[in-house]
Amino acid sequence: AQSVTQPDIHITVSEGASLELRCNYSYGATPYLFWYVQSPGQGLQLLLKYFSGDTLVQGIKGFEAEFKRSQSSFNLRKPSVHWSDAAEYFCAVGAGNKLVFGAGTILRVKS
Amino acid sequence: GAVVSQHPSRVICKSGTSVKIECRSLDFQATTMFWYRQFPKQSLMLMATSNEGSKATYEQGVEKDKFLINHASLTLSTLTVTSAHPEDSSFYICSASGGGAGELFFGEGSRLTVL
Repeated sequence: AQSVTQPDIHITVSEGASLELRCNYSYGATPYLFWYVQSPGQGLQLLLKYFSGDTLVQGIKGFEAEFKRSQSSFNLRKPSVHWSDAAEYFCAVGAGNKLVFGAGTILRVKS
Repeated sequence: GAVVSQHPSRVICKSGTSVKIECRSLDFQATTMFWYRQFPKQSLMLMATSNEGSKATYEQGVEKDKFLINHASLTLSTLTVTSAHPEDSSFYICSASGGGAGELFFGEGSRLTVL
């Protein structure tokens, strides 16, 4: 069965510092991988996705993620975090037409 | 990107009443829509998959008689929480497929509070 693991429940970074959110997945076939961001009380916004091709994917708001098949990982990165990036981030793997989500990582940004 | 709209964004109801939540794809035809439920500080759990013109497919443990899903057109799916109880209070999010291969677009979510 498909599963997604986000090992960090909370992460706190200083504004301007770099960020990496970890995501590991389990899926038998070539995965479709996604990162979403959710602000409090809001729906989900797609940051980026990987379907195939270049394993380094660029997304919105300066985010990028790298697909590493050998590690079954799809970590999200940002070189310099802004206070407005504070939110909850979900990694997801596409299984057919469905998405299986990780538990989420709450990002706090300190000034 | 494609737009999915949910309505209402917040609803408060009395225990025992029924509540309907609408999910609309505004600029594309959604052959498949999904309903998720999100408990506080938890991830999204898929409740059911609805395909236009056919019965919804419910995930294990989801009561289909309690959570009625209708997908009567390519742009509208509805979730009706029947005889709501306080434990049904949650954040319900829909998503729609049809805007691109393997891609889903999410609504803004609907927060249900049952008193």
